[in-house]
Amino acid sequence: DMQMTQSPSSLSASVGDRVTITCRASQGISNYLAWYQQKPGKVPQLLIYAASTLQSGVPSRFSGSGSGTDFTLTISSLQPEDVATYYCQKYNSGPATFGPGTKVDIK
Amino acid sequence: EVQLVESGGGLVQPGGSLRLSCAASGFTFSRNWMSWVRQAPGKGLEWVANIKEDGSEKYYVDSVKGRFTISRDNAKKSVYLQMNSLRVEDTAVYYCTGGWVWGKGTTVTVSS
Repeated sequence: DMQMTQSPSSLSASVGDRVTITCRASQGISNYLAWYQQKPGKVPQLLIYAASTLQSGVPSRFSGSGSGTDFTLTISSLQPEDVATYYCQKYNSGPATFGPGTKVDIK
Repeated sequence: EVQLVESGGGLVQPGGSLRLSCAASGFTFSRNWMSWVRQAPGKGLEWVANIKEDGSEKYYVDSVKGRFTISRDNAKKSVYLQMNSLRVEDTAVYYCTGGWVWGKGTTVTVSS
């Protein structure tokens, strides 16, 4: 079965830092990759789809890249409101598996 | 307004059944794959099942195969999740999602 992995599982960074989260698919998925942000007690919010397309209304400090099996979510300048757990999800066909999540907080 | 509204959650004993429903409005339901995603307390997001636009393809996470059934009614703009032989580990908030839209979730608690 297709697996999605993420690294790191958690990170702590300072306000203004550049933060990078990696997602890896066990098989190639072209660019059928989405990134979600979830704050405690809230519904997940779509940040990026098609690996690099920013969802309307999402701050431009968020960006995505990658294709095939390796993907990256970057926050160019971490803000206090970015404290959350971030998930990648494949959506090409069949199972729409999520990665295990990366918890981001402020140092 | 684009929205998905789930219903049907509740408290059920192990071995019991529940049927979740999700009603869509404000987007072209019949042109979107629809999924159920769950989140157990303190855990990450887990995709549970999805169904193709015309219902011809359905997929399930291994842990629910043979127990859960996803279905849809495009005329009613609704998707369903029939959950049988429920286990304690099925306890979670269940979200309906499709077309990048998420519902607010419905809580399923399996406990004796």
